[in-house]
Amino acid sequence: AQSVTQLDSHVSVSEGTPVLLRCNYSSSYSPSLFWYVQHPNKGLQLLLKYTSAATLVKGINGFEAEFKKSETSFHLTKPSAHMSDAAEYFCVVSDRIGTYKYIFGTGTRLKVLA
Amino acid sequence: EPEVTQTPSHQVTQMGQEVILRCVPISNHLYFYWYRQILGQKVEFLVSFYNNEISEKSEIFDDQFSVERPDGSNFTLKIRSTKLEDSAMYFCASSEGGATYNEQFFGPGTRLTVL
Repeated sequence: AQSVTQLDSHVSVSEGTPVLLRCNYSSSYSPSLFWYVQHPNKGLQLLLKYTSAATLVKGINGFEAEFKKSETSFHLTKPSAHMSDAAEYFCVVSDRIGTYKYIFGTGTRLKVLA
Repeated sequence: EPEVTQTPSHQVTQMGQEVILRCVPISNHLYFYWYRQILGQKVEFLVSFYNNEISEKSEIFDDQFSVERPDGSNFTLKIRSTKLEDSAMYFCASSEGGATYNEQFFGPGTRLTVL
């Protein structure tokens, strides 16, 4: 069975400093991995996705993630945090069987300090 | 930009009552999903729907739940007799194709409160 583990439930950074949100996956196959962001009272918005092309994936708003098969990781990074980045972030793997349903991590709440 | 919409944004109901949560997926999408997120817990898959029938459902999706695409645009989730534990945020999602690399587009969610 496929799964993702988000290693931190809460992360706090100062504005202008780098962001690192960690995600490890478990999959018997080459996975399709996604990062979504959820701002308060908003829906889930796709930040970026990995689908076995380039291992370094660039997304919206300056975010990027690197797929590392040897470490089974797909960590999300941003060089410089902005106040508007404060939100909940979900690492997701798409199931390889059935109807490609999403399997979510538990989420990481990012707090950005002024 | 096309988006998935959901109504209502918040539904309060009494235990044992029926509720219908509505979603309008993106118009050219073919795969539809419902997920839920109980407060403080992870987002969980409920059901997927394709070609006017359920493709896959989770253990959560028991006989109290049903889905329907009544008119080619709406996609509904019905809970026949709500329980306290059904209180959650319910997300609808749609996808253009059925492959692992196809991203799903999510609506803003309906917060269901069962009293």
